Amino acid sequence: QKEVEQNSGPLSVPEGAIASLNCTYSDRGSQSFFWYRQYSGKSPELIMFIYSNGDKEDGRFTAQLNKASQYVSLLIRDSQPSDSATYLCAVNDDYKLSFGAGTTVTVRA
Amino acid sequence: DADVTQTPRNRITKTGKRIMLECSQTKGHDRMYWYRQDPGLGLQLIYYSFDVKDINKGEISDGYSVSRQAQAKFSLSLESAIPNQTALYFCATSDLVREGQPQHFGDGTRLSIL
Repeated sequence: QKEVEQNSGPLSVPEGAIASLNCTYSDRGSQSFFWYRQYSGKSPELIMFIYSNGDKEDGRFTAQLNKASQYVSLLIRDSQPSDSATYLCAVNDDYKLSFGAGTTVTVRA
Repeated sequence: DADVTQTPRNRITKTGKRIMLECSQTKGHDRMYWYRQDPGLGLQLIYYSFDVKDINKGEISDGYSVSRQAQAKFSLSLESAIPNQTALYFCATSDLVREGQPQHFGDGTRLSIL
């Protein structure tokens, strides 16, 4: 099982600020990277995926991938209280996914 | 209707009982997975199946078994439940098109073993 490490939380940000989430992975051969959002007691919901080095933007979310550094990040711009959740980083492990433990984000009004 | 349906949504049972959690999907995906989630530990893979005749153990398969009854159905059994199997269980599916496809999750089953 490949290792996926996320920055420990919880992360508290004021409303309107940028939340920055980090994830590192152990296998240099990994090709696919995913960010899931999980509200307390609910199922994970896919919010971003990225396959190539660089940035990928989708609305207020930006995923950044650096394969040389084995690092993937998620930026949430203009954070809203509805963004308060746990964010899971996932990396492909052959035909499975390896998940990090998650980072809990709290957006304070 | 949900694309990935898990039943039951909640279950409380006693130590030693046999329990079956069921998962069905309408997404037409070949691959199905069972995970458990404990607080602060992320998602741990129990079993996965890439088609009806293919069953594979995940990280934490001890104490669990599965059955892939059809492309759309994948059930998880606890033959003799123990309290440390109390957790949130998720079923997930993914497409076969290419390696690294995202997984889509059901709403989960909250299982408590007394």
